[in-house]
Amino acid sequence: IVLTQSPATLSLSPGERATLSCRASRSVSTSLAWYQQRPGQAPRLLIYDASKRATGIPARFSGSGSGTDFTLTISSLEPEDFAVYYCQQRSDWYTFGQGTKLEIK
Amino acid sequence: EVQLVQSGAEVKKTGESLKISCKGSGYRFANYWIGWVRQMPGKGLEWMGIIYPGDSETRNSPSFQGQVTISADKSIATAYLQWSSLKASDTAIYYCARIDDDGSAFDFWGPGTKVTVSS
Repeated sequence: IVLTQSPATLSLSPGERATLSCRASRSVSTSLAWYQQRPGQAPRLLIYDASKRATGIPARFSGSGSGTDFTLTISSLEPEDFAVYYCQQRSDWYTFGQGTKLEIK
Repeated sequence: EVQLVQSGAEVKKTGESLKISCKGSGYRFANYWIGWVRQMPGKGLEWMGIIYPGDSETRNSPSFQGQVTISADKSIATAYLQWSSLKASDTAIYYCARIDDDGSAFDFWGPGTKVTVSS
């Protein structure tokens, strides 16, 4: 299963709403997770099972979707949210999307 | 507190062997799958394989089959990733990560081990 993330880069300002997309080449039901990776750090789990927030993740992060189309939404960007975001599926072993870089405008 | 502690950075020559480690604490290490993930310089995340420390059952990504060996020693709560003959293209950061109860996501990650291979 191939995961395609869009856009590759998203330029926004703090306080704005971010919408990141992940599309699967075939259905993964809700077996999809989202990760945040800040420069020089390991990835951090944000969302699992498409819409469940991981422990300690702020409520401004939300996930939605099922089947082949998924969305990660950050309702109001904080300075620490500017990072790279990856989606990952578990329906057919494990694969990651190529990432979306969220940068400050 | 769940923690995964990885071994330190390595600088090796092509053709050399290498074994890096990932030690878990704060949870029952034997009862959770551990995965290995590669990140080449400036690139994204690639799943390499997983191991269940309880019985050492291993599953490799087809992309890495035959390229690396994944093992574990549950008695010391440690998983390993090893190469018998390194290539320059093995230069990357390697992360270990615990897989959650449902097997669906990597819920805790180690800090990564940077491996540099040169000729």
